[in-house]
Amino acid sequence: QQQVKQSPQSLIVQKGGIPIINCAYENTAFDYFPWYQQFPGKGPALLIAIRPDVSEKKEGRFTISFNKSAKQFSLHIMDSQPGDSATYFCAAPNSGGSNYKLTFGKGTLLTVNP
Amino acid sequence: GAGVSQSPRYKVAKRGQDVALRCDPISGHVSLFWYQQALGQGPEFLTYFQNEAQLDKSGLPSDRFFAERPEGSVSTLKIQRTQQEDSAVYLCASSLGPLTTDTQYFGPGTRLTVL
Repeated sequence: QQQVKQSPQSLIVQKGGIPIINCAYENTAFDYFPWYQQFPGKGPALLIAIRPDVSEKKEGRFTISFNKSAKQFSLHIMDSQPGDSATYFCAAPNSGGSNYKLTFGKGTLLTVNP
Repeated sequence: GAGVSQSPRYKVAKRGQDVALRCDPISGHVSLFWYQQALGQGPEFLTYFQNEAQLDKSGLPSDRFFAERPEGSVSTLKIQRTQQEDSAVYLCASSLGPLTTDTQYFGPGTRLTVL
């Protein structure tokens, strides 16, 4: 069974700031770590994901950093905008035999003030 | 194209009533997941279908929860004799393939309130 610990629970930054959200996992059968973004009243949507053998993945203003030895990965949002205000979830693959299951963190509520 | 749709969007039930929640996945998607999301929490896995086969129901909280996907497309999550602790948002997600690395596309969820 996978455990994913996400921090902080909530985060407030000013426009242009660089919020950082961290996740730690226990064990995983393989390295695939997605981040999902959820707006109120909507379902989560995939934002960015990092796959095996890569320590960093950048897409636009969003970057995932991955530290395999520490079993941690983080999301950085460059030049944050009020439209980035949402809840962010990290996820990690199950450590058991299933090759389809993701375990999600509890989420980080990000507020970007104008 | 159309995304994942769920109905109803909101459901209020009296304790003890049975409810049925519907999920229409993206056409052609092999995998279908149901999650439960409590207020302020992340999605918690309930069950997984690959086409019409329910391969994993390890997350269903009790035998009052039942899910089906008889023709490998639309799925229904049924909750019998609802309890107050069943109040949550129920999310459905589908993915094109059967692997963890296949992107899961989520529906908007059904918010269930049990009085």
